[in-house]
Amino acid sequence: QKEVEQNSGPLSVPEGAIASLNCTYSDRGSQSFFWYRQYSGKSPELIMFIYSNGDKEDGRFTAQLNKASQYVSLLIRDSQPSDSATYLCAVNQKVTFGTGTKLQVIP
Amino acid sequence: GAVVSQHPSRVICKSGTSVKIECRSLDFQATTMFWYRQFPKQSLMLMATSNEGSKATYEQGVEKDKFLINHASLTLSTLTVTSAHPEDSSFYICSAVPGTSGVSYEQYFGPGTRLTVT
Repeated sequence: QKEVEQNSGPLSVPEGAIASLNCTYSDRGSQSFFWYRQYSGKSPELIMFIYSNGDKEDGRFTAQLNKASQYVSLLIRDSQPSDSATYLCAVNQKVTFGTGTKLQVIP
Repeated sequence: GAVVSQHPSRVICKSGTSVKIECRSLDFQATTMFWYRQFPKQSLMLMATSNEGSKATYEQGVEKDKFLINHASLTLSTLTVTSAHPEDSSFYICSAVPGTSGVSYEQYFGPGTRLTVT
């Protein structure tokens, strides 16, 4: 089992809809969880981090963490075409990355 | 805040030569920096962890004698690809973790260096 797993996508959502991106991890002792966005040909940029169970909201983005079930998700409300990118889930201080989910927002 | 720069952004070199890539944290200090490599349509692959004042820690399968890392200050880490070959052509990205306490949290990425070896 991979340490961090994501569905590679592409995940297609219409403009204005909610995009839901999911990530599961294998190390039950993981403490730190991050979501990064990467546009094609560019380096990743940090969107959100979450350390505690529950939801964390920042603008249109909500990160959800469930340590018992070992998953972390990212919700993007009111999706915009500019949100089209690959979203990387990362776990822990040393940071193990998932392979990323490609999101396509259709105008 | 939390800006990381890389230089150069693109480099083309001939097979057998060496290339140095610099990673700088511009507005914060970073005890820890990471070096990644990313091939087209693949995820980031961690190559090594660079720690200021000590030897870098390399991931399994990464040749430390080929990818020399120096973290001489709290704002600068360098990666030197020695005796580069075409298969080393890739997108090299560094990241820096704010802080000097040894407790790492979020990391901030540089814009990347695209290396092409001909």
